[in-house]
Amino acid sequence: EAQVTQNPRYLITVTGKKLTVTCSQNMNHEYMSWYRQDPGLGLRQIYYSMNVEVTDKGDVPEGYKVSRKEKRNFPLILESPSPNQTSLYFCASSFGQAYGYTFGSGTRLTVV
Amino acid sequence: GQSLEQPSEVTAVEGAIVQINCTYQTSGFYGLSWYQQHDGGAPTFLSYNALDGLEETGRFSSFLSRSDSYGYLLLQELQMKDSASYFCAVRAKKNQGGKLIFGQGTELSVKP
Repeated sequence: EAQVTQNPRYLITVTGKKLTVTCSQNMNHEYMSWYRQDPGLGLRQIYYSMNVEVTDKGDVPEGYKVSRKEKRNFPLILESPSPNQTSLYFCASSFGQAYGYTFGSGTRLTVV
Repeated sequence: GQSLEQPSEVTAVEGAIVQINCTYQTSGFYGLSWYQQHDGGAPTFLSYNALDGLEETGRFSSFLSRSDSYGYLLLQELQMKDSASYFCAVRAKKNQGGKLIFGQGTELSVKP
């Protein structure tokens, strides 16, 4: 089944403890992207990647890192999480510019 | 800057037709997309308009007018399961299609 897989689905962590949210797609998509969704603020892009080793900042990149060493994987790294990074995170992938994104099921992160 | 404006909420009755508008202030984008998101779930791609005009997919249609900086999503024969949030989105050309900008979303409530 064609899909984007994120893990974990739920995560509670403490301030400052490094964490990684994994994202993998099996559709051979070039584009991958991370979003966070907060009440009243909609979906905001954190980082995106247009192919292996090609990444760029979205609208809210501060406090996050990404890497794209393989086409299928696009992990999101929080080196030192803070409570303001408590949010619902989505990974997504797509073919070229004229296609829609396929989203993963989401990761609900709570930083205490 | 780049922004997309949508009404925050719309209410309609089962079986009716509803139109969700999206006006934008952005230049140089590949097309207008629409996504559906049920509460707590992942956004799901609905439609994409690369060119001006109407695109029809079953009960859903989407329209784009670049000269008017305007688009809409039309939902016909509304069903209770259509109650969800709907987002319009564009992919910016200057970022080679990697940057996806969302509107704030329209919450559609379908009443019996």
